[in-house]
Amino acid sequence: DADVTQTPRNRITKTGKRIMLECSQTKGHDRMYWYRQDPGLGLRLIYYSFDVKDINKGEISDGYSVSRQAQAKFSLSLESAIPNQTALYFCATSDPRDRAYEQYFGPGTRLTVT
Amino acid sequence: KQEVTQIPAALSVPEGENLVLNCSFTDSAIYNLQWFRQDPGKGLTSLLLIQSSQREQTSGRLNASLDKSSGRSTLYIAASQPGDSATYLCAVRRTGGFKTIFGAGTRLFVKA
Repeated sequence: DADVTQTPRNRITKTGKRIMLECSQTKGHDRMYWYRQDPGLGLRLIYYSFDVKDINKGEISDGYSVSRQAQAKFSLSLESAIPNQTALYFCATSDPRDRAYEQYFGPGTRLTVT
Repeated sequence: KQEVTQIPAALSVPEGENLVLNCSFTDSAIYNLQWFRQDPGKGLTSLLLIQSSQREQTSGRLNASLDKSSGRSTLYIAASQPGDSATYLCAVRRTGGFKTIFGAGTRLFVKA
């Protein structure tokens, strides 16, 4: 089984709808991240969490919110989806005790907002 | 502000060729640098991680080097194969920080 899983893998939704993307990990890492990837722009950080009680905004957090339900679960919500949020979304984990913060990624969620 | 650049954006080579992918960064105060492979529509797979105190790391046909003073890292792929076709991204984690900055990637195509 994969160490980092994401659901759903693909989602098409309409403008204005609320969407939740979910991430689970079995690596036992404290740190979890949400990134989005757009063609030609690399990955950009949306939110990150150091533990259940410590959640922080990344560089592009507007229009998004997150919830860290447990050490192993980190969800990303789009409160009111808009077309320019169409992108590939990745969850990742890391831990200082595991190869100096090496990042492990989930398979991604392809989100299309029409 | 750390910026990470990968040139070229795309590269096509014949099978069997040795090749080098480049990654440059603007701030030498880095904690580590990580190379990833991404297949179309898939997640990122970690290939190599070089810590700040290291100069290179090797895994099979892959060798990554790090030169902080010049702000450069290279990923060397020996005897390329069609299965190496993918996008390769480098990512830099800065010292004392939590953020990792990603390059936009080099898309590699190895022709059989």
